[in-house]
Amino acid sequence: EPEVTQTPSHQVTQMGQEVILRCVPISNHLYFYWYRQILGQKVEFLVSFYNNEISEKSEIFDDQFSVERPDGSNFTLKIRSTKLEDSAMYFCASSEPGFSYEQYFGPGTRLTVT
Amino acid sequence: GENVEQHPSTLSVQEGDSAVIKCTYSDSASNYFPWYKQELGKRPQLIIDIRSNVGEKKDQRIAVTLNKTAKHFSLHITETQPEDSAVYFCAASRSGTASKLTFGTGTRLQVTL
Repeated sequence: EPEVTQTPSHQVTQMGQEVILRCVPISNHLYFYWYRQILGQKVEFLVSFYNNEISEKSEIFDDQFSVERPDGSNFTLKIRSTKLEDSAMYFCASSEPGFSYEQYFGPGTRLTVT
Repeated sequence: GENVEQHPSTLSVQEGDSAVIKCTYSDSASNYFPWYKQELGKRPQLIIDIRSNVGEKKDQRIAVTLNKTAKHFSLHITETQPEDSAVYFCAASRSGTASKLTFGTGTRLQVTL
């Protein structure tokens, strides 16, 4: 069964550094999402992406964040200047075209900002 | 925006007993309600979902009920087993392209022998 994949599984970075989190959605999916989960808390929506543009973003997704689909398979989340409070698990998800609402989640990237 | 509340935050049951987790939502336009199971350090995995045109859905030991009028939905697990131990999240979403999921705060279910 196809799965969403994410790299790296764990990223440690210093405050103020830029990080890029990578995701490969399921190949026939057209809708892409990033969520984050601070340790012990609920999953929070960051951004959705369709047809090469952002469909919706949350208030968490400020100017420090950006997303890109640089080629036909990858979907990336960039944090320009990381803060301590960006430490979290970041999940990528994708869903297929049409009226299927199911979102398939990747295994996550644990980001630790020191 | 949508707000999803989930109760209880922790639930301990004996193996073989039933477990019920309840969620309420605020946005009357929400029409898709999935439940995710998350084991420690793992991705959320969809276990069952329901759309607003049905009131109940069952899949083996798991069932979900939806009351649109009251804006609440519930997860029922029967004959619980130790492998059911995990954190369960409810979520709500509107229809439409790339619609976000709004998650509840999670319920930690512990099934004891």
